[in-house]
Amino acid sequence: QQQVKQSPQSLIVQKGGISIINCAYENTAFDYFPWYQQFPGKGPALLIAIRPDVSEKKEGRFTISFNKSAKQFSLHIMDSQPGDSATYFCAASRSIAAGNKLTFGGGTRVLVKP
Amino acid sequence: AAGVIQSPRHLIKEKRETATLKCYPIPRHDTVYWYQQGPGQDPQFLISFYEKMQSDKGSIPDRFSAQQFSDYHSELNMSSLELGDSALYFCASSSDRIGTEAFFGQGTRLTVV
Repeated sequence: QQQVKQSPQSLIVQKGGISIINCAYENTAFDYFPWYQQFPGKGPALLIAIRPDVSEKKEGRFTISFNKSAKQFSLHIMDSQPGDSATYFCAASRSIAAGNKLTFGGGTRVLVKP
Repeated sequence: AAGVIQSPRHLIKEKRETATLKCYPIPRHDTVYWYQQGPGQDPQFLISFYEKMQSDKGSIPDRFSAQQFSDYHSELNMSSLELGDSALYFCASSSDRIGTEAFFGQGTRLTVV
């Protein structure tokens, strides 16, 4: 049972376009929602994270939108660049505190075409 | 800035052999997590340690064990290896005292032949 469902599985976007990745979660105890970027053969790297008390967070070209009532959150990558081509994982945990494991979504492979 | 160090980066073992993966967390981080990532899969949580004590356990096979040492480094021991254990194994660390998120290492690619 996937506690965090992510879609789409893959995405092709033109350079300069917007990449949108959606996630939905079941466990209402989750209160920390990070997004990770992973390149082949590398470890996941934290991109941006959000807590349920805010509906949107923006860092550079990356924006998280959060809908607590719908238990959904999404990542928008504005002005997508070829260097953004990677696999993106949403995740959730009970808190940022020690020992609280991350539950990952299934991942989205993003390809940005030049 | 120092990152999470994992060793070895690559490991090839035969079926039924044992393997030991090592993780050195970011300095002053008190928590270590181990994740397993199969090809094309998302990382799956195995086990975590806080201040050298096991804090949570996920889908870790009984053939696997792990511990965190006094210097906070951690080792994942895998015995009776099976072909299906071939995967990327990631270690992540965080600090409860400072309240940081988890930072991942570069992973160990284990291939069981």
